Amino acid sequence: NAGVTQTPKFRVLKTGQSMTLLCAQDMNHEYMYWYRQDPGMGLRLIHYSVGEGTTAKGEVPDGYNVSRLKKQNFLLGLESAAPSQTSVYFCASSYLSGYTFGSGTRLTVV
Amino acid sequence: AQSVTQPDIHITVSEGASLELSCNYSYGATPYLFWYVQSPGQGLQLLLKYFSGDTLVQGIKGFEAEFKRSQSSFNLRKPSVHWSDAAEYFCAVGADTGYKLSFGAGTTVTVRA
Repeated sequence: NAGVTQTPKFRVLKTGQSMTLLCAQDMNHEYMYWYRQDPGMGLRLIHYSVGEGTTAKGEVPDGYNVSRLKKQNFLLGLESAAPSQTSVYFCASSYLSGYTFGSGTRLTVV
Repeated sequence: AQSVTQPDIHITVSEGASLELSCNYSYGATPYLFWYVQSPGQGLQLLLKYFSGDTLVQGIKGFEAEFKRSQSSFNLRKPSVHWSDAAEYFCAVGADTGYKLSFGAGTTVTVRA
């Protein structure tokens, strides 16, 4: 089925560890996004990309890095995880008609 | 800067009763407005969207929303809720037809028998 796939679905990290979240879409969308969802705060934009090779900061970019080397993939990296980064992370892609979301990655940093 | 306010954190409604969720937005130009629904442990699914034209838009699952420019609102309604409508609902506004959306904090809907 066409859509947005996120891996992994769950992860537990120790403070200071690093990890990369992978987002892949097969709809040929130009725009891709990483959001984090926290209770009572809705979704907040971390980073986004308007095309292959481009990235930009969103509302809450600190502590995260991203790369978009291929149009279909958007990677979110945490270089040194902190407990404040415990959250559910959603990737989305869009082109003209609204977002298509992945199913999310639940990350816990202990 | 664009922003969205959903004033109700939690709403409880009886099955078969009507539902209305409030959404107020702040945006300097013509807004592109969306409602999404999120079931527990799931991603977000698009219910409906407004780009232009008729201010009353129909969506999936029997939902509709009305755009009122004078009130900067885009309220979501359903005439008769089903138990399966229990979920969290997010309103979003964007600068283009799907570019860089800003989301409200969400409204959790509980449906009682």
